Amino acid sequence: GENVEQHPSTLSVQEGDSAVIKCTYSDSASNYFPWYKQELGKRPQLIIDIRSNVGEKKDQRIAVTLNKTAKHFSLHITETQPEDSAVYFCAASINYGQNFVFGPGTRLSVLP
Amino acid sequence: DSGVTQTPKHLITATGQRVTLRCSPRSGDLSVYWYQQSLDQGLQFLIQYYNGEERAKGNILERFSAQQFPDLHSELNLSSLELGDSALYFCASSALQGLNTEAFFGQGTRLTVV
Repeated sequence: GENVEQHPSTLSVQEGDSAVIKCTYSDSASNYFPWYKQELGKRPQLIIDIRSNVGEKKDQRIAVTLNKTAKHFSLHITETQPEDSAVYFCAASINYGQNFVFGPGTRLSVLP
Repeated sequence: DSGVTQTPKHLITATGQRVTLRCSPRSGDLSVYWYQQSLDQGLQFLIQYYNGEERAKGNILERFSAQQFPDLHSELNLSSLELGDSALYFCASSALQGLNTEAFFGQGTRLTVV
């Protein structure tokens, strides 16, 4: 089955700096890659997603890139703010929503 | 509010017991997913249903079972509970129609086994 790895497990950046989180997946049939943000004690919430027919997607300070050949995708957050501090999960899915498999998560801390 | 409702929010029970967690998906969503999140851990996929039928299965223990009813709500049954089953159990739902593939999570049920 699908296996998703995520690095780093923890990441600390200064406010205003950029943060990059990387994920790799194993199943070449995966075609949908969402990113979720989970604040302490709350539910995961989708922040951005990308489909396999697109190489890059951007939404304000957040961008995701996908390299299908290498089977990896990355989350980029620019101009980080303290409210960006949370755990971020990447996920991979086949058939655009079947069997979402999540990475282990990255705890991002944005230091003021 | 994601529109996904999970009940109860908290549950405390003893080892060996059986509990049922309930999930009502967003209106119109046909797919329901169940995840287990242990303390400071990731989201472990348990099982997915689509329009009443099992669609995908993850690392779900034999002591656990789930179903999706005709009204599309889903229940996760956990039996012969062990201390290690203590976790936050999330349900998510998705339309899985066309471009509508986003999965929306409920607020979770926190299960404590004592």
